[in-house]
Amino acid sequence: NAGVTQTPKFQVLKTGQSMTLQCAQDMNHEYMSWYRQDPGMGLRLIHYSVGAGITDQGEVPNGYNVSRSTTEDFPLRLLSAAPSQTSVYFCACSRGLGNTIYFGEGSWLTVV
Amino acid sequence: LAKTTQPISMDSYEGQEVNITCSHNNIATNDYITWYQQFPSQGPRFIIQGYKTKVTNEVASLFIPADRKSSTLSLPRVSLSDTAVYYCLVGAFSRGKLIFGQGTELSVKP
Repeated sequence: NAGVTQTPKFQVLKTGQSMTLQCAQDMNHEYMSWYRQDPGMGLRLIHYSVGAGITDQGEVPNGYNVSRSTTEDFPLRLLSAAPSQTSVYFCACSRGLGNTIYFGEGSWLTVV
Repeated sequence: LAKTTQPISMDSYEGQEVNITCSHNNIATNDYITWYQQFPSQGPRFIIQGYKTKVTNEVASLFIPADRKSSTLSLPRVSLSDTAVYYCLVGAFSRGKLIFGQGTELSVKP
């Protein structure tokens, strides 16, 4: 997964706390996105961005905010953590039409 | 958005050819079809991508009929290390919203 870096890799939060998952890519890709994956389930799109300054909602955006001030960075903010947000979060990027999506290694989040 | 449907799970034995079919009835004209492989505790990784007809690379083949309403990922002579979840993704990056289906869990047995 060279090129897409997610931090932190593991995090435990208490209910109601806020935090930011960081995602950075060094491939100068226009498209970036965040997915969550619950145990034994598929990937669900949270938010995505088709370029700096442009973001939009995916399938499950509630409880999360994003911003895209630069091409490289796409942080995901949890506003008030809930146990239902316990999941693995994957950041991804792509150069554009017809190109491969590259995924980060994932961030494991537990909300207690 | 093109919704995809795949079998939830498949079993195979080492050395066999495995074919996983994905249905995408409302695929749009500029949508590509891409398959990803995911191992436990890892992010998905690209296997193969196509638009129409047949595409082959060093690990798989992708068959797409003329109407493009389905596609079939073919894995030749699978091994134990091919045990993973396989996702079919249909979309155009220009529209941004790339939705994964539920995936097919492939189990390869000795």
